[in-house]
Amino acid sequence: NAGVTQTPKFQVLKTGQSMTLQCAQDMNHNSMYWYRQDPGMGLRLIYYSASEGTTDKGEVPNGYNVSRLNKREFSLRLESAAPSQTSVYFCASSPGIQYFGAGTRLSVL
Amino acid sequence: AQSVAQPEDQVNVAEGNPLTVKCTYSVSGNPYLFWYVQYPNRGLQFLLKYITGDNLVKGSYGFEAEFNKSQTSFHLKKPSALVSDSALYFCAVRALRSGNTPLVFGKGTRLSVIA
Repeated sequence: NAGVTQTPKFQVLKTGQSMTLQCAQDMNHNSMYWYRQDPGMGLRLIYYSASEGTTDKGEVPNGYNVSRLNKREFSLRLESAAPSQTSVYFCASSPGIQYFGAGTRLSVL
Repeated sequence: AQSVAQPEDQVNVAEGNPLTVKCTYSVSGNPYLFWYVQYPNRGLQFLLKYITGDNLVKGSYGFEAEFNKSQTSFHLKKPSALVSDSALYFCAVRALRSGNTPLVFGKGTRLSVIA
């Protein structure tokens, strides 16, 4: 019963470094999502993938790229990290109800 | 455009008292409404949803929510609060006929239940 698995759980980056956040789901869901959570801002959608092979921008896509590698995996890449990208990142998958991973806590110094 | 408003950043309630966490929404057409809960350092967990049918929806952990179409509200309720209910609660919405488009979340309401 893994559900949605995110790696890593924690990461500290220096400004300008790059990294990829990984997300995998084992529920055979078509749709997957990346959100960021900041205090007082709720959850804001970064990118989503309605099905394998498609991706769409959400509310706050700038500075991020995504890859829907296959039906299970949806990765989020920060090409050149900035302090404004310090946040908690959540991946979710959905057949209707969204199921969330445990999150990645990212700090950019 | 879809939107959700949670007018209270914080709700405090004494243990054993009833609790209400408020949510209003805006969507084109019929809504598909959700409540999620987030405990510290955890992801969001699904509590309950409303699609159609009875306006009172029952969910996990004794929570329920009342859908009111005329007031475009979907308030979360529990008859008797527990200290363990203390958490961050999110309301979310999307249009019922929008396929698998993403949910739009409110900013969250922090519930504190005091013993």
